[in-house]
Amino acid sequence: KQEVTQIPAALSVPEGENLVLNCSFTDSAIYNLQWFRQDPGKGLTSLLLIQSSQREQTSGRLNASLDKSSGRSTLYIAASQPGDSATYLCAVKGKLVFGKGTKLTVNP
Amino acid sequence: DTGVSQNPRHKITKRGQNVTFRCDPISEHNRLYWYRQTLGQGPEFLTYFQNEAQLEKSRLLSDRFSAERPKGSFSTLEIQRTEQGDSAMYLCAWGWQGAEAFFGQGTRLTVV
Repeated sequence: KQEVTQIPAALSVPEGENLVLNCSFTDSAIYNLQWFRQDPGKGLTSLLLIQSSQREQTSGRLNASLDKSSGRSTLYIAASQPGDSATYLCAVKGKLVFGKGTKLTVNP
Repeated sequence: DTGVSQNPRHKITKRGQNVTFRCDPISEHNRLYWYRQTLGQGPEFLTYFQNEAQLEKSRLLSDRFSAERPKGSFSTLEIQRTEQGDSAMYLCAWGWQGAEAFFGQGTRLTVV
């Protein structure tokens, strides 16, 4: 059974700081991994999708990496802004198994 | 716009009543997923369809839950004899197999 863990559960940083969010999974037989952002009371917004054959994917200030052999993915956010404050979730496919997320607060 | 419409956005119901939620992807995609999310938790998988076929159903789903995707486009999720523990956000997602998944805004269910 696939299990996904995200560390830390919560993170508070000052504006402008670079930060890394971690995601680990137990079964490396995944099709791909997707990172999402969720604002309070809202649905999920897709940020990045990494195919199982890829090592990383970039979109603007976001960079996600994937290491299947170690069962890990990281989401790097450069030059954080208050608008980045949200919960960040990773999910592995197959059928999208989610972690509990990391709640990020970027303080002005 | 995520390309997924969920209705209703909010539903308050009395314990014991039946409720039905609808998910309408704007365009047809072969995969459609249902999830449930409670406060402070990640989304929990409920079930998914490939076209009209329901391929997997979570053990979390009791016999009170049923989902359909009759024509391979929209989908409905019905909860019979609702209980207070059913209170949650119900999320629908669509996508192609192996590709990016997109979520709707969800339906928030409150059972009183």
